[in-house]
Amino acid sequence: DTEVTQTPKHLVMGMTNKKSLKCEQHMGHRAMYWYKQKAKKPPELMFVYSYEKLSINESVPSRFSPECPNSSLLNLHLHALQPEDSALYLCASSQALAGGSYEQYFGPGTRLTVT
Amino acid sequence: GQNIDQPTEMTATEGAIVQINCTYQTSGFNGLFWYQQHAGEAPTFLSYNVLDGLEEKGRFSSFLSRSKGYSYLLLKELQMKDSASYLCAVFRRDSNYQLIWGAGTKLIIKP
Repeated sequence: DTEVTQTPKHLVMGMTNKKSLKCEQHMGHRAMYWYKQKAKKPPELMFVYSYEKLSINESVPSRFSPECPNSSLLNLHLHALQPEDSALYLCASSQALAGGSYEQYFGPGTRLTVT
Repeated sequence: GQNIDQPTEMTATEGAIVQINCTYQTSGFNGLFWYQQHAGEAPTFLSYNVLDGLEEKGRFSSFLSRSKGYSYLLLKELQMKDSASYLCAVFRRDSNYQLIWGAGTKLIIKP
């Protein structure tokens, strides 16, 4: 199983809503990532978890709050977003973070629209 | 500073060969990835180069020259389904092992 799953596939939310994005992998990977991707741009790293601990936070606004409940799950909680936060949110996982160069497996993404 | 450059867009003909170049200037270089991304979909892994030379994988090959800060992705026997964006990404051993992404090259295949 080399699959990373993400739900929902599409999400439309208002600026006062609270919603969550979910990501799951069953490959035994110990590093999980959240990326934000705007159209025609490369993925932009937001957060990295390594062994369920937040390892990297790329100065992301606090309206985005990540959570790693266990080694297979990664959530991104959204609150009071702005229209400019509309983007494709990608989850990825890799075998580990450091000590080697491990390819990242990406989920299909959540297309988020903030109205 | 860090910089990764790729052509913005390329066009090629079905059945032909195309080479997509990537040049980089970055500290702590550990290797270079190539990913393919179809519009609206997630990136998928194509190749990873650490040492100089050519790595061949079916219709796709990837080349790296560390001394020149240069890589290319070679696609042979092009098919319409190869129309996608191709992103190169540098893996850095400093800066928390982040991937530094190029902007991607949009490849258009014509019949």
